[in-house]
Amino acid sequence: DADVTQTPRNRITKTGKRIMLECSQTKGHDRMYWYRQDPGLGLRLIYYSFDVKDINKGEISDGYSVSRQAQAKFSLSLESAIPNQTALYFCATSVGFDPGEEETQYFGPGTRLLVL
Amino acid sequence: GNSVTQMEGPVTLSEEAFLTINCTYTATGYPSLFWYVQYPGEGLQLLLKATKADDKGSNKGFEATYRKETTSFHLEKGSVQVSDSAVYFCALHASGGSYIPTFGRGTSLIVHP
Repeated sequence: DADVTQTPRNRITKTGKRIMLECSQTKGHDRMYWYRQDPGLGLRLIYYSFDVKDINKGEISDGYSVSRQAQAKFSLSLESAIPNQTALYFCATSVGFDPGEEETQYFGPGTRLLVL
Repeated sequence: GNSVTQMEGPVTLSEEAFLTINCTYTATGYPSLFWYVQYPGEGLQLLLKATKADDKGSNKGFEATYRKETTSFHLEKGSVQVSDSAVYFCALHASGGSYIPTFGRGTSLIVHP
């Protein structure tokens, strides 16, 4: 089974709808991240969480919210979807900062979202 | 702040050609450097990494050397295969910064038979 899973894998929604993307991990990592990927723009960080009680805004948090329900679960919500939120969304985890250890990111398979 | 600059793609090569994808960075502190690969329809996965100056990361025939003097981490492979077609991302994690990673914009590689 995959270590980082995302549901749904594909989603089509309409402008103004609220939707939730879910991420679960079995790696036991404390840190979780949400990114969006757009052609030519690479990966942009939306939100990140270093533990269950810690939530931080990333580069492009406007229009999004998150919930860290448990160490293993990190959900991303679009409160009122708009067409320019059409993108590929990735969840990722990392073990946590430890001097001398690199912060390798482990990615889920992505959710492809289309907002009409 | 931290930043990563990659050469723009797509890079189009014939099978068995030599590959170089350039990556330069700006960072505070002493960053660790990474190359991730994204195959079609999949998430990113770590390809190789280097944690200090002059280290060489290698995997699957790919190599990259951490050059502090030129702030670079160029990805190379001596003989590419069609199966190497993917998007490649250079990234850094700076120990003295905010502890979140910085990614480049990605470089698409297309290898023709």
